[in-house]
Amino acid sequence: AQSVSQHNHHVILSEAASLELGCNYSYGGTVNLFWYVQYPGQHLQLLLKYFSGDPLVKGIKGFEAEFIKSKFSFNLRKPSVQWSDTAEYFCAVNRGQGAQKLVFGQGTRLTINP
Amino acid sequence: EAQVTQNPRYLITVTGKKLTVTCSQNMNHEYMSWYRQDPGLGLRQIYYSMNVEVTDKGDVPEGYKVSRKEKRNFPLILESPSPNQTSLYFCASSYSGRGTHGELFFGEGSRLTVL
Repeated sequence: AQSVSQHNHHVILSEAASLELGCNYSYGGTVNLFWYVQYPGQHLQLLLKYFSGDPLVKGIKGFEAEFIKSKFSFNLRKPSVQWSDTAEYFCAVNRGQGAQKLVFGQGTRLTINP
Repeated sequence: EAQVTQNPRYLITVTGKKLTVTCSQNMNHEYMSWYRQDPGLGLRQIYYSMNVEVTDKGDVPEGYKVSRKEKRNFPLILESPSPNQTSLYFCASSYSGRGTHGELFFGEGSRLTVL
């Protein structure tokens, strides 16, 4: 079965620390990759996405992610986090089949201490 | 403003009392879907719809019904709610078809408690 794994369930960092959240998926071939963010009490918003081309993609608020096909990974990074980055982050993958086949990871809760 | 609107945002109900959570989008999206979010489990798809009158089960459809009579609306129906349906529910929509990639637009969520 298709699966998406986010190995970090809860990450706690101090402001200005660097961030990397892991995301791995379990199938090969063409994939579309997404990171969504959910701020406390809010709905999910798209942070960034990868469909094709440059495997290093930049999103909003200084986030970026790198698609490494050989490792089946799409890790999210930010060089210097802020308190306002406190949120839950979800990785999602589909096999180029559209939204109906989008599979979400379990989510990673990120807490930034001021 | 492009948006997905869910109602109610919060609801406390009792076991067995039928309820409907409405979802409406103004982006003319063909695809709509319902997810439930539970701690440690991420988002799990309940039902989805590729277009009007076309619906299909997701990963956790038991205890839920949906309908898609109009393109903009996709209500979620709990005929006889049970406590294990206590959850945070999200409606989402997207363009579908060839050339689309599955980027979803989410509603603000409906927190349901079944006593």
